[in-house]
Amino acid sequence: ETGVTQTPRHLVMGMTNKKSLKCEQHLGHNAMYWYKQSAKKPLELMFVYSLEERVENNSVPSRFSPECPNSSHLFLHLHTLQPEDSALYLCASSQVEGDSSYEQYFGPGTRLTVT
Amino acid sequence: GQNIDQPTEMTATEGAIVQINCTYQTSGFNGLFWYQQHAGEAPTFLSYNVLDGLEEKGRFSSFLSRSKGYSYLLLKELQMKDSASYLCAVRDSNYQLIWGAGTKLIIKP
Repeated sequence: ETGVTQTPRHLVMGMTNKKSLKCEQHLGHNAMYWYKQSAKKPLELMFVYSLEERVENNSVPSRFSPECPNSSHLFLHLHTLQPEDSALYLCASSQVEGDSSYEQYFGPGTRLTVT
Repeated sequence: GQNIDQPTEMTATEGAIVQINCTYQTSGFNGLFWYQQHAGEAPTFLSYNVLDGLEEKGRFSSFLSRSKGYSYLLLKELQMKDSASYLCAVRDSNYQLIWGAGTKLIIKP
């Protein structure tokens, strides 16, 4: 495997389900990101893990919970989601050195539909 | 607030040249990125500008004017495979990326 991989690629879940999205990067980077992409809207940064420090966007509802067990793996745990959470969820990674960060590499995304 | 503006959609002809503009108002500036995203796929990195001027990379070039808060992506010798969305993103003073909504480029034969 190379680059950034995400599973599953597609997910349909009910509002009472609990599911998790998985991301793995094979690039040796030290920062990982979760983004939400809705149609015709800018990419919305949800969470960042950088140099083992979690930085979160305060506007993200608590029904989204990230987990980063190591620098190569990132999870997004989902519970009691709403239909408006249906979107493409993208994972990305990058190398961070001091105050500098290089370009981000994205995974193919998980297309989530909440019914 | 922070804002990135780019046209929603553009149409161009195969073999022609197209310029996609991006204007930004952000709290600080630490570089501007352009990404390409084909439908149903991941965004892929195209270019990075941090100093004023033109960066050329094959058929693609990106220009930056920091004083005007303006950038453009220039695509030459358009090919059908260039049909995609093009995302502009600015890294602010906190080194966070602020993204535009993307420009959908349609190439016609």
